[in-house]
Amino acid sequence: SQQGEEDPQALSIQEGENATMNCSYKTSINNLQWYRQNSGRGLVHLILIRSNEREKHSGRLRVTLDTSKKSSSLLITASRAADTASYFCATDRGHMRFGAGTRLTVKP
Amino acid sequence: NAGVTQTPKFQVLKTGQSMTLQCAQDMNHEYMSWYRQDPGMGLRLIHYSVGAGITDQGEVPNGYNVSRSTTEDFPLRLLSAAPSQTSVYFCASSYSSGWDEQFFGPGTRLTVL
Repeated sequence: SQQGEEDPQALSIQEGENATMNCSYKTSINNLQWYRQNSGRGLVHLILIRSNEREKHSGRLRVTLDTSKKSSSLLITASRAADTASYFCATDRGHMRFGAGTRLTVKP
Repeated sequence: NAGVTQTPKFQVLKTGQSMTLQCAQDMNHEYMSWYRQDPGMGLRLIHYSVGAGITDQGEVPNGYNVSRSTTEDFPLRLLSAAPSQTSVYFCASSYSSGWDEQFFGPGTRLTVL
């Protein structure tokens, strides 16, 4: 069964706008990771946030984690057409478990 | 470094045929795993290995076998292909555990007729 559930399933924005994706999970975790998948490619690791961290930044990416609500969000600021991809959260419950992903489309 | 490589990229099988999907990594990672990705389902773990000679089942192991004779290679065998195994298969590796950053291969798109 999937541990992480991304929301929304699909998101379409204009270049330059910010994109926010959410991830909810059901049980306690040690860490949560976000991955990107370009069409037809393998997943690429973006960022890992540990359960004792509340926020983490990497370039234009900002990830937050709220363990009390069992949720995380990924914010991509000043989006570019190259950010068009599917984004997955993954949690470490037993094995790494991935959600179904958010498909982000950034229109130029 | 080539990272994680997978062959073939595409494969079409008939029901009942067997085949092996190849996966290799050159990063000296201990942990390797196989996932399948189906539309709307995310990635589901098939089998994993924490080191040479050690393998274990994931969420959806039925119909698949694995072995890990070397650190570098982790082949996935389909014993008797079924249409339900039509999917995209990804191999991944990480330094020491399934909780580390995973490095993914480019995938194998398998169609079973």
